[in-house]
Amino acid sequence: KAGVTQTPRYLIKTRGQQVTLSCSPISGHRSVSWYQQTPGQGLQFLFEYFSETQRNKGNFPGRFSGRQFSNSRSEMNVSTLELGDSALYLCASRLGFQETQYFGPGTRLLVL
Amino acid sequence: SQQGEEDPQALSIQEGENATMNCSYKTSINNLQWYRQNSGRGLVHLILIRSNEREKHSGRLRVTLDTSKKSSSLLITASRAADTASYFCATTDTGNQFYFGTGTSLTVIP
Repeated sequence: KAGVTQTPRYLIKTRGQQVTLSCSPISGHRSVSWYQQTPGQGLQFLFEYFSETQRNKGNFPGRFSGRQFSNSRSEMNVSTLELGDSALYLCASRLGFQETQYFGPGTRLLVL
Repeated sequence: SQQGEEDPQALSIQEGENATMNCSYKTSINNLQWYRQNSGRGLVHLILIRSNEREKHSGRLRVTLDTSKKSSSLLITASRAADTASYFCATTDTGNQFYFGTGTSLTVIP
């Protein structure tokens, strides 16, 4: 089976712009989660989607949003980018809630 | 959000030595997992231990879980330079929420 894929892998944006990141889970996995990783804050949970519904949400401002499509692919959107949004954004999928999460390679976002 | 703390934050050992890292968490869990992350890359799943298990092995990895102390340890035996990475524990709580620890940075010196 193909692993979790994320596009794009690298992205440079300027403050105030918006960005959309994409994640394709492992085939058959219906849960997709998003994480932000920065040197200062470590791995921070953004949200989790299951069967197109947001199931859990981390402590991030409303500028961070996401959605999941009927084929389980997920997108994450960040509006009005700030310098502090520069980070590695990781997507993970899992078959069920008590199962292993499998991670994609991440999208590295740089906000200038 | 993070519910786990890992100890030590950084560890440096010689190739061939064993490396032990610990994870403590706060709430009741369904399972605990360990992941490895090479610099700037995605996380790779290493091993999962369920709440009713006390010890699990996978190759050179040994994981223990003490639910009474809310702690786990990961032992890597006969370390190799390729084991250099950050290691994270992650817990799934009884509400199926997934939490990561703060991570241990391991350096194995050839």
